[in-house]
Amino acid sequence: AQSVTQLDSHVSVSEGTPVLLRCNYSSSYSPSLFWYVQHPNKGLQLLLKYTSAATLVKGINGFEAEFKKSETSFHLTKPSAHMSDAAEYFCVVSEPGGSYIPTFGRGTSLIVHP
Amino acid sequence: GAGVSQSPRYKVAKRGQDVALRCDPISGHVSLFWYQQALGQGPEFLTYFQNEAQLDKSGLPSDRFFAERPEGSVSTLKIQRTQQEDSAVYLCASSLVQPTLNTGELFFGEGSRLTVL
Repeated sequence: AQSVTQLDSHVSVSEGTPVLLRCNYSSSYSPSLFWYVQHPNKGLQLLLKYTSAATLVKGINGFEAEFKKSETSFHLTKPSAHMSDAAEYFCVVSEPGGSYIPTFGRGTSLIVHP
Repeated sequence: GAGVSQSPRYKVAKRGQDVALRCDPISGHVSLFWYQQALGQGPEFLTYFQNEAQLDKSGLPSDRFFAERPEGSVSTLKIQRTQQEDSAVYLCASSLVQPTLNTGELFFGEGSRLTVL
């Protein structure tokens, strides 16, 4: 069965400093991996996705993530945090051809201080 | 419409009441998912439709939960005899592709927040 573990429930950074949100996955197949963002009272929005092409994936708003099979990780990074990045972030795994239902992590709350 | 629309956005029910939550997916989207999101948690899968066929309902927590998508577009999630533990945000998402073949982007509605007193 597939699963994701988001290693931090909260991450706090200062504006202008780098962001790192950690995600480890478990999958029996070649997984598809995603990061979604949820702003308060807004719907979830796709940031980026990995589907077995390039291992370094670039997304919207300057975010990127690197798929590392040897470490079963898909960490989300951004070089410089902006106040508008404050939100809840979810790592998601699915297995086309296997357990295809997208499975969400518990979420990481990103707090950005001025 | 331009996006996934869910109604009502907020629902307060007394314990034991029945509720119905509606989802209007993006036109032409084949796949439709329902998720339940408890406070401070990630979304938990409830059920999946491919067009009008309910292909997976393994996440429905009890037989009080029922979902349908009779014409392959609008979907309704019904909860009978609501309990306090049903209090959560119910999220609907649609996708253009079949996830068995390729996991495409999920487009989410803003959710229906259910509070059971």
